[in-house]
Amino acid sequence: GDSVTQMEGPVTLSEEAFLTINCTYTATGYPSLFWYVQYPGEGLQLLLKATKADDKGSNKGFEATYRKETTSFHLEKGSVQVSDSAVYFCAAGGVTGGFKTIFGAGTRLFVKA
Amino acid sequence: DTEVTQTPKHLVMGMTNKKSLKCEQHMGHRAMYWYKQKAKKPPELMFVYSYEKLSINESVPSRFSPECPNSSLLNLHLHALQPEDSALYLCASSHSGDYNEQFFGPGTRLTVL
Repeated sequence: GDSVTQMEGPVTLSEEAFLTINCTYTATGYPSLFWYVQYPGEGLQLLLKATKADDKGSNKGFEATYRKETTSFHLEKGSVQVSDSAVYFCAAGGVTGGFKTIFGAGTRLFVKA
Repeated sequence: DTEVTQTPKHLVMGMTNKKSLKCEQHMGHRAMYWYKQKAKKPPELMFVYSYEKLSINESVPSRFSPECPNSSLLNLHLHALQPEDSALYLCASSHSGDYNEQFFGPGTRLTVL
């Protein structure tokens, strides 16, 4: 079935370190791919998206490229800040009939000052 | 206005109570969603409304009853809940289908005693 797999956390980094959170997907058809971020006590916010192969989504220094050949959408940031501490969800949208979004399990990021 | 609002923010109810969660958006989105999120887990889809009609019910128990009075409003009526129904309930909306990103509200933290 359709699924999204992302690296387990928590991930703990020092401020200004490089971040990579791996994400791969299995989906029927050609999904759109998203990264959502959830800060403590809040709902999910869209961080970035890509809707076709080789698209690069970017926002607030975060980037991810839609790789159809490896079915991946890895999240990267060159220099993390303490304020980036949150849970990050990789998601595939438009699978199995259009309205469903498949979420990964989430990766918790802690950034130390 | 790019906001999805949810009320109340917190709700504590007994197993015999009847209560309702409310969600509102004014972005002209025609698809609206209810999700349930347990601690340290991704959101689980419960219901999807498209053009004010129920499009998806993910086999949710009948003690949860959704309602979409108009294109801007979404309610979730709760009755005879169980303690295991305690969770964060998230509302989301999108332009159409799932190829576009979903905009999430901040959620209602529900505790069932």
